[in-house]
Amino acid sequence: AQKITQTQPGMFVQEKEAVTLDCTYDTSDQSYGLFWYKQPSSGEMIFLIYQGSYDEQNATEGRYSLNFQKARKSANLVISASQLGDSAMYFCAMSCPEETSGSRLTFGEGTQLTVNP
Amino acid sequence: EAQVTQNPRYLITVTGKKLTVTCSQNMNHEYMSWYRQDPGLGLRQIYYSMNVEVTDKGDVPEGYKVSRKEKRNFPLILESPSPNQTSLYFCASSWAGDPLFNEQFFGPGTRLTVL
Repeated sequence: AQKITQTQPGMFVQEKEAVTLDCTYDTSDQSYGLFWYKQPSSGEMIFLIYQGSYDEQNATEGRYSLNFQKARKSANLVISASQLGDSAMYFCAMSCPEETSGSRLTFGEGTQLTVNP
Repeated sequence: EAQVTQNPRYLITVTGKKLTVTCSQNMNHEYMSWYRQDPGLGLRQIYYSMNVEVTDKGDVPEGYKVSRKEKRNFPLILESPSPNQTSLYFCASSWAGDPLFNEQFFGPGTRLTVL
């Protein structure tokens, strides 16, 4: 079974500083995908970034980058130059192919990020 | 506009009164899924569907039913709701072509309270 662990229930960062949100995963599959989603207080789920297990380079999307360390099974999200609008809940998720049912996403518990002015 | 819609957005009901939460997507996605979000537990999958008439249980299916009669719709049915089903519910859809990069598009969520 797949499992995602986010060990930081809450994180605080000063505006304009960088912050790293931790995510570790457990799977016996060789092929998988890793996602990060943002959930602001309004509740919607916003896709941020994706990393495939065979991708050799870390994924980047604007101020977001994914620090992928395959041997350690970690996929940490790095947000550079934090902004007040980055205050939100962040979820790490993993997709693994299943024989009969395509694939499914398994989510971590989430990290609540607060950006202080 | 490409989107996933859910109705209602908010619902307060009483134990045992059957309810349905509707979900519709206009992106012609094959894959649809229901999640519930609870504090400290993240999102957990309830049911999913790979295509019309194909549904399967997720991690927490007890107390829920689904159907997929049309590709665009995937309603969630609570036959006899109980207070432990008070939660925030999300419907999501995605392409089924790539089993790894299945970016899921989420609906706005339905906040359900069962008294």
